[in-house]
Amino acid sequence: DGGITQSPKYLFRKEGQNVTLSCEQNLNHDAMYWYRQDPGQGLRLIYYSQIVNDFQKGDIAEGYSVSREKKESFPLTVTSAQKNPTAFYLCASSLTSVPDTQYFGPGTRLTVL
Amino acid sequence: QKEVEQNSGPLSVPEGAIASLNCTYSDRGSQSFFWYRQYSGKSPELIMFIYSNGDKEDGRFTAQLNKASQYVSLLIRDSQPSDSATYLCAVNIISGGFKTIFGAGTRLFVKA
Repeated sequence: DGGITQSPKYLFRKEGQNVTLSCEQNLNHDAMYWYRQDPGQGLRLIYYSQIVNDFQKGDIAEGYSVSREKKESFPLTVTSAQKNPTAFYLCASSLTSVPDTQYFGPGTRLTVL
Repeated sequence: QKEVEQNSGPLSVPEGAIASLNCTYSDRGSQSFFWYRQYSGKSPELIMFIYSNGDKEDGRFTAQLNKASQYVSLLIRDSQPSDSATYLCAVNIISGGFKTIFGAGTRLFVKA
């Protein structure tokens, strides 16, 4: 089955902890993205990567970090510097690095205790 | 002005009716337009994309694009209760660099 997987589905974080959200795709897509969704709001871009070993900040990158060591993988770390991390996190990928149709993973719901 | 605007709803229609969802965008350099459906607690799934002015039909769904008016819409014919979801409009722009902007979504309820 081709697709995008995210894990875990639910994640609980204590104050001051860093946590890493996993995103893997086997679609052979070049570009990958991380979005954050808060209730009643649209998706906001955190980071994106158009090619392996390269990534760019989106609109709300503060308090987050990413890596793109493999084409298939684009993990997101939510650091303790992110003051309000409780949200639904969505990973997406697209075939090419130019603006293209994005396909989403199932999401990770992060809650800060 | 928000870059992509949608009426938050909820939009309520009876089963079998046509649901009309609207989206306006501010950047005239916008190139491609997408409609996603998102069920509560789930991730968005692509319904349709449209690049050219006019209508594009896929089954019960029709996307309409008017670049002069900076307006894109989604019509759902013969609405079903299973169509009840939030519909997100997304716009790809290339002016100033790559960017995909998502609207906040319109909640649709189809009453049986």
